[in-house]
Amino acid sequence: EVQLVESGGGLVQPGRSLKLSCAASGFTFSNYYMAWVRQAPKKGLEWVATISTSGSRTYYPDSVKGRFTISRDNAKSSLYLQMNSLKSEDTATYYCARQQGPGYPYFDYWGQGVMVTVSS
Amino acid sequence: EIVLTQSPTTTAASPGEKVTITCLASSSVSNMYWYQQKSGASPKLLIYSTSSLASGVPDRFSGSGSGTSYSLTINTMEAEDAATYYCQQWSSNPPTFGSGTKLEIK
Repeated sequence: EVQLVESGGGLVQPGRSLKLSCAASGFTFSNYYMAWVRQAPKKGLEWVATISTSGSRTYYPDSVKGRFTISRDNAKSSLYLQMNSLKSEDTATYYCARQQGPGYPYFDYWGQGVMVTVSS
Repeated sequence: EIVLTQSPTTTAASPGEKVTITCLASSSVSNMYWYQQKSGASPKLLIYSTSSLASGVPDRFSGSGSGTSYSLTINTMEAEDAATYYCQQWSSNPPTFGSGTKLEIK
């Protein structure tokens, strides 16, 4: 059974940093692209980052480029999101999601999500 | 950025009723993906590549469309289908989601 378990969320002040983690199990982690998708309270879904199987390629929307860094450790089957210079508009539930790959641009499994609140 | 506009925003259906949700893209896309999100839960993939059912998804769900117009259909509404549904494209960067359609049971 595919499982994705996020951790590391919490309350953080604007301008500070936070690192999210996602522990994957039930599949061969190194064979899949992985992604982060967020959802602001009572709002829709927003893609945040994607990383290739080896970690050599990363992709971001303009809203987080230069502030967020996605990374992975295939030996630990873990995905990470380093978030710097956080803003109030980054407040959201962050989901770790498995992505099929460049030819299959969708998210077939999602974690339960972790809440990040950016507030003073 | 391709904007996806879903309609209706909110709707309600009786058990057994047919439901159709539409997703209009601001530019042509090659495929559409659909997700279901129940209250308090994470999204779940329903449809990939416009019309293919994800694993374990009941066959009362179906997807269709092309170009800028896509739809998700529930052939016979069941109580467990009450949820918010999102469409998603990645024909061009960045991938975008529709704003969601909330489906309630009557």
